[in-house]
Amino acid sequence: GAGVSQSPSNKVTEKGKDVELRCDPISGHTALYWYRQSLGQGLEFLIYFQGNSAPDKSGLPSDRFSAERTGGSVSTLTIQRTQQEDSAVYLCASSLSGGTPYEQYFGPGTRLTVT
Amino acid sequence: AQSVTQPDIHITVSEGASLELRCNYSYGATPYLFWYVQSPGQGLQLLLKYFSGDTLVQGIKGFEAEFKRSQSSFNLRKPSVHWSDAAEYFCAVGGQTGANNLFFGTGTRLTVIP
Repeated sequence: GAGVSQSPSNKVTEKGKDVELRCDPISGHTALYWYRQSLGQGLEFLIYFQGNSAPDKSGLPSDRFSAERTGGSVSTLTIQRTQQEDSAVYLCASSLSGGTPYEQYFGPGTRLTVT
Repeated sequence: AQSVTQPDIHITVSEGASLELRCNYSYGATPYLFWYVQSPGQGLQLLLKYFSGDTLVQGIKGFEAEFKRSQSSFNLRKPSVHWSDAAEYFCAVGGQTGANNLFFGTGTRLTVIP
């Protein structure tokens, strides 16, 4: 079956521009996560969606970052006024339900480069 | 605060040799523990997980890990490494209640030489 897909796979943008990153979770998965992987760093949690509940935004590094999930499926992570420190690989994961016990399935990521 | 330490940034082993990747965690309650593998250009794939019970867990691709509460460790092992095991390995910890996300270590890059 189809796994988690993300688009674009690579994105180069100029400092100060806005970018949108897309995630298509596995069909039927109610939980969706965004993580950021910077060079030499582990994965940093950004935001979590579970069903129709209010998202857990506790990991968003600044108010330039936001995400939405429409219809409980596709999610978009938006970074406004991008900075060079935003350069990283952004990973999306989905799981059958929310909470740690459920295996998270990861997409291939979007590599963002801010010049 | 939750955290995961993977003290080895890069490990090189010969094909056929044994492997142990170290992971130490800090967590205030009983943890869930995971090992993920990331091949170049790929997403993360779950190798194995520990929730409770037997402290030695078996995973895919011949990997195993042992949970040692007294040492706050969850080291990954494989008795005989294959060239295809070359990848980045991440240890992660999550909570059993009330936690929505995993906390990852910085990863260990494994190189396999013939």
